[in-house]
Amino acid sequence: KQEVTQIPAALSVPEGENLVLNCSFTDSAIYNLQWFRQDPGKGLTSLLLIQSSQREQTSGRLNASLDKSSGRSTLYIAASQPGDSATYLCALTSGAGSYQLTFGKGTKLSVIP
Amino acid sequence: SAVISQKPSRDICQRGTSLTIQCQVDSQVTMMFWYRQQPGQSLTLIATANQGSEATYESGFVIDKFPISRPNLTFSTLTVSNMSPEDSSIYLCSARGTSPAGEQFFGPGTRLTVL
Repeated sequence: KQEVTQIPAALSVPEGENLVLNCSFTDSAIYNLQWFRQDPGKGLTSLLLIQSSQREQTSGRLNASLDKSSGRSTLYIAASQPGDSATYLCALTSGAGSYQLTFGKGTKLSVIP
Repeated sequence: SAVISQKPSRDICQRGTSLTIQCQVDSQVTMMFWYRQQPGQSLTLIATANQGSEATYESGFVIDKFPISRPNLTFSTLTVSNMSPEDSSIYLCSARGTSPAGEQFFGPGTRLTVL
């Protein structure tokens, strides 16, 4: 059974810092991996999707990488801003025929002005 | 990408009653799902909503408690039946887009409090 772990559970950084959020998974047979952002009491916003054949994806100040062999993904946020404060969730689907997303528990990020 | 709306956005209900949550997608999608997020927890899949047929439920979730309908490609409902305080959660609708990459999109969620 696929398990997804996100460490740390919470992270506090001063504004302007670059930071990395980590996601690890136990089964390397994945179809794709998505990073989401969730603001308190709200739904999920899709940030980046990496297909299993890809190594990384970039959108603005965000860069996500994928290393299937080591069972790891990272989300890099450059020049953090207070508006980046949210919970970041990593989720993946295992296999082309499986559409169920398996989620990590998330990393709660606080960017201090 | 797909834009998903949910109604209601939040509700406070009495024990023993039922609530139906509506989910509308603005474009055709291949699959629709319902998730539950209990306080302080991550998301758990309740079921896959199948168009014109019975939903596919995950272990621990049953149709009598969470009946789901999907009458067409872009609309689904989830009912939380005979509610108890343990059902207090955020309920989220999601959809898988039509691209082969399989990106999934989420609605804003329905925050349910059961007294």
